[in-house]
Amino acid sequence: DTAVSQTPKYLVTQMGNDKSIKCEQNLGHDTMYWYKQDSKKFLKIMFSYNNKELIINETVPNRFSPKSPDKAHLNLHINSLELGDSAVYFCASSPRQVNTEAFFGQGTRLTVV
Amino acid sequence: AQKITQTQPGMFVQEKEAVTLDCTYDTSDPSYGLFWYKQPSSGEMIFLIYQGSYDQQNATEGRYSLNFQKARKSANLVISASQLGDSAMYFCAMRLNSGGYQKVTFGTGTKLQVIP
Repeated sequence: DTAVSQTPKYLVTQMGNDKSIKCEQNLGHDTMYWYKQDSKKFLKIMFSYNNKELIINETVPNRFSPKSPDKAHLNLHINSLELGDSAVYFCASSPRQVNTEAFFGQGTRLTVV
Repeated sequence: AQKITQTQPGMFVQEKEAVTLDCTYDTSDPSYGLFWYKQPSSGEMIFLIYQGSYDQQNATEGRYSLNFQKARKSANLVISASQLGDSAMYFCAMRLNSGGYQKVTFGTGTKLQVIP
């Protein structure tokens, strides 16, 4: 069973479109994250949710809107896509304890053309 | 502010040799976790090793060991007996439990290439 699953794995879309990436974890974790990995491989946290509550919003444009319908899901909706949004987006989850790693999804490669 | 620094953008190592990937961190929180992840060219993030701030001994996982020097705020990854399959990006990360929530911050990564 996949612990953290993201869909789709690849997403190619035109500028100006709206798209969503879905994430689900079956680990029972309290906290979920979205990370953006740019072309230089830098991993930057975008959002963190704890029990469906938004905890961290790292100065992400408001075109990005995360939604957590329940503890196991954290979806990312992006409005009015721009070329600079092209990146790999990773969903991750972690339990409350600090001494356990974050588990990552396989990533979604978003290409805006 | 919490920060993770990896100063080596790229490293080369001969197959079967050991290599050390550097990582320094900065936090004023007494409780934190330090992690290393491997990202091969296929893109997935693979957890390698963990070190807790209160752990007395350095963590080891097979060929991976973490050289934890708390006073220097460093958490270097040592890979022994390098293999061709070790060629990948390696990320150091720090996890904090601050104000009741978790935050995991990553360094900029080191690209390791193992030479046959």
